Amino acid sequence: EVQLVESGGGLVKPGGSLRLSCAVSGFPFSINSMTWVRQAPGKGLEWVSAINDNSAYRYYADSVRGRFTVSRDNAKNSLYLQMNSLRAEDTAVYYCARVREDVVLVGAKQSTYGLDVWGQGTTVTVSS
Amino acid sequence: SYELTQPPSVSVSPGQTARITCSGDALAKQYAYWYQQRPGQAPVLVICKDNERPSGIPARFSGSSSGTTVTLTISGVQAEDEADYYCQSTDRIGSVYFFGTGTRVTVL
Repeated sequence: EVQLVESGGGLVKPGGSLRLSCAVSGFPFSINSMTWVRQAPGKGLEWVSAINDNSAYRYYADSVRGRFTVSRDNAKNSLYLQMNSLRAEDTAVYYCARVREDVVLVGAKQSTYGLDVWGQGTTVTVSS
Repeated sequence: SYELTQPPSVSVSPGQTARITCSGDALAKQYAYWYQQRPGQAPVLVICKDNERPSGIPARFSGSSSGTTVTLTISGVQAEDEADYYCQSTDRIGSVYFFGTGTRVTVL
């Protein structure tokens, strides 16, 4: 069974740090790109970060660039998100998700990427 | 532009058809994905590449695309389809992911 399990959430003061983990099982983690997506209370989904299979490429949303760092350990089937300089607006449920790569070589549309498996999320609350 | 616009809400009676649109310039060149999120649960992928249904997703879910607008159609809506629905796309190398504003489907 494909499974993604997030952990590491909690209550942290503004300016503090937190490290989220995502433990993966049921599929070959080392060949998949992965992402983090968050959802603030009562709000929509917001993409946070993505990392490719061998960690050569790491991408961030403007709202977290310079404060958050995504990493992975393929030997441990784990994805991580190091969050520094946390702000109240970072309060959210954080989901890890597997990337589905729809590569297009010929056609009217270009290669695009979806998220085909999601974890249940871990809650981060930034408050004094 | 990476903005995707959806109607805030759609209401439908059981057995009827719900249609949710998602509009954005990027959709002319990039595929769209649709997610269902029931209250308190993680999102679930229900449509990929504009109109493909992942395994395990009921056939009443379908997708279509025209120009800069994609549409999620739920035929024969059931009470369990009451949820928030989000469209999503990316740039062509997967360096930016963007979500629609979300649509709440209410089954009357």
